Order: sequence, then structure tokens, then C-alpha cells
Amino acid sequence: ETGVTQTPRHLVMGMTNKKSLKCEQHLGHNAMYWYKQSAKKPLELMFVYSLEERVENNSVPSRFSPECPNSSHLFLHLHTLQPEDSALYLCASSQGGGASNYGYTFGSGTRLTVV
Amino acid sequence: SQKIEQNSEALNIQEGKTATLTCNYTNYSPAYLQWYRQDPGRGPVFLLLIRENEKEKRKERLKVTFDTTLKQSLFHITASQPADSATYLCALDLSGSSASKIIFGSGTRLSIRP
Repeated sequence: ETGVTQTPRHLVMGMTNKKSLKCEQHLGHNAMYWYKQSAKKPLELMFVYSLEERVENNSVPSRFSPECPNSSHLFLHLHTLQPEDSALYLCASSQGGGASNYGYTFGSGTRLTVV
Repeated sequence: SQKIEQNSEALNIQEGKTATLTCNYTNYSPAYLQWYRQDPGRGPVFLLLIRENEKEKRKERLKVTFDTTLKQSLFHITASQPADSATYLCALDLSGSSASKIIFGSGTRLSIRP
């Protein structure tokens, strides 16, 4: 366990479904992130939250909606997804910026398949 | 736009040899650079961070160099072992602010054969 827990580990959903991904960290970090990892592509930064406020939205389609109710929890709400949204979704946290000697701490990810 | 290239998609070496992975970047002057390890089906794990004013950093069998003139970082694993087989990612911080905006290279898949 890294200290960042993501649930569920696997998710299969239809294009008309609504689902949510959950991320939880108890490391005392004050920044949390969502990344998307598709096959053969680099990790893509989706959202950045610092002190529970969204500070970055990397031109992500509105069918992805993040929520950060407190510094320990981060959600990614999904609706009307497309098959090309199938990917590994990774949550990460950090204390301040990533310039500490501990970098980012990632969860194990949610493997999402859209059918 | 900022670009990070890890110039080998895959690297296959003999156990006991030194593995050297390369990360090149363009159009940016990062304050620091990070290296991560990722195993299949898992999230990346942070290994090392090197700052722009540091030429070299070591941690056990790992060594990272950072040449801001060449815009290049080299990542070395000495006395490599089959357990070192994984994908290795380099990452640059684009903001340096209170919440970083780190972008990743596509990774090099390292295989160590016994």
C-alpha cells in the first residue's frame, strides 16, 4: 500500500451509465491529482487540486467531473463516456509541490473499460 | 509546446550490467526532474528527484544526472537484477508552485535477463 487508495480497481460501464471513482489519502498531503494513462501514451494530467480548490483543468471534457470535498478525498464523476475513455485512471497526492524529496504518491489506479 | 522524450521504448540487458536510460526535453527549463518506476497494472512509484543546480544524485544502486545545457537526464541502475525489470518514467515539473503540474515522458520498458 502506498498510502493512496483508489476504488474500484476495475470498472466496466456502458456509455449511458454514471459512475464515480474514489481516491483517498491519509498522508497529510495538501494537493491531489487525477491522471489518465492510455496504452502507449504518457500519463496525461487531468485535474489538480490544492487545499481542496481546483487549480488546474487540463481541457478535460465535461463528461469528467472532479470533486474534492476535503484534503483526504478526491472523486472523479463519470457520465456518458466514450469507448476511447477506456484507460487506467490514476490518483496522486503530494505535500505542496512535487519538489520535495518524496515526489508524488500514486494509487494503484482504476482500470476503466467503456463498452 | 513542452516535450519530453525517453528515447528507448524498450531496453533489454544482461543481469549484472549497468542500465542507462535517457530523458530529453525541449522548450522548457525545469527547476527539477523526477524519475519513477511503474510495474504493470500499478501506479508509478517515486524514485529520485534532482534539482537544476545538482549535477548528480545517487540512491543505493541508482544514479541520476541532470544536464540543463543539453536538456537531458540520464538514469543509471548499476548491478542490475531481474527485479529491476519495469517501466521507468521521467517527469518534469512545469509550475513549481504550491500544487505542481508534472508532465511525464512515455517511459522506457526495461527488461533484465538472468
